[in-house]
Amino acid sequence: DVKVTQSSRYLVKRTGEKVFLECVQDMDHENMFWYRQDPGLGLRLIYFSYDVKMKEKGDIPEGYSVSREKKERFSLILESASTNQTSMYLCASSFLSQGRAGADEAFFGQGTRLTVV
Amino acid sequence: GDSVTQMEGPVTLSEEAFLTINCTYTATGYPSLFWYVQYPGEGLQLLLKATKADDKGSNKGFEATYRKETTSFHLEKGSVQVSDSAVYFCALFRRDSNYQLIWGAGTKLIIKP
Repeated sequence: DVKVTQSSRYLVKRTGEKVFLECVQDMDHENMFWYRQDPGLGLRLIYFSYDVKMKEKGDIPEGYSVSREKKERFSLILESASTNQTSMYLCASSFLSQGRAGADEAFFGQGTRLTVV
Repeated sequence: GDSVTQMEGPVTLSEEAFLTINCTYTATGYPSLFWYVQYPGEGLQLLLKATKADDKGSNKGFEATYRKETTSFHLEKGSVQVSDSAVYFCALFRRDSNYQLIWGAGTKLIIKP
């Protein structure tokens, strides 16, 4: 079974802290994504990466950064956590397309519910 | 740009009722279309998909048909159960895009016994 594993299910952090959210996948996927999910707003893409050390901004990158030092691991960093970053964070991975069969399906982790107080 | 529009929720039904959740899309070319489901407290998982016009995706009693003429991919189930209570997301993927799915806002489904 494909597995995307997020390091924590629940996190509580203080305003101003530096926060690391970790995600690991075991399917040798090229693409990895970080989304945040808020009621009424659906999934919003924060950052994605299509290769080691490569990253692209999504729709809402402000206040976040990412790191992809190894193919299987994609980290989301909140440089200075703020209360408006309280949310559910979802990591996902997929194959790079290039016409590959099954390349279009994304696999998700369980999510990390982050509360910033 | 590409976009996906879903009916707003929550949708509340009684057990054994017929379900339809509407999804329409705007995209160039011939995207693949998906329904993902998120059960309470969980991440998303693929429910079904269709990769070309007139394809029907099906899984767990749910069905959706790729209608190019109406640019729609409505989700249906003949008889819902309490265990179907979840948030359902419609999404599209363009083959000439290497990177990302385009998501609808999600529709929360509540099934009452």
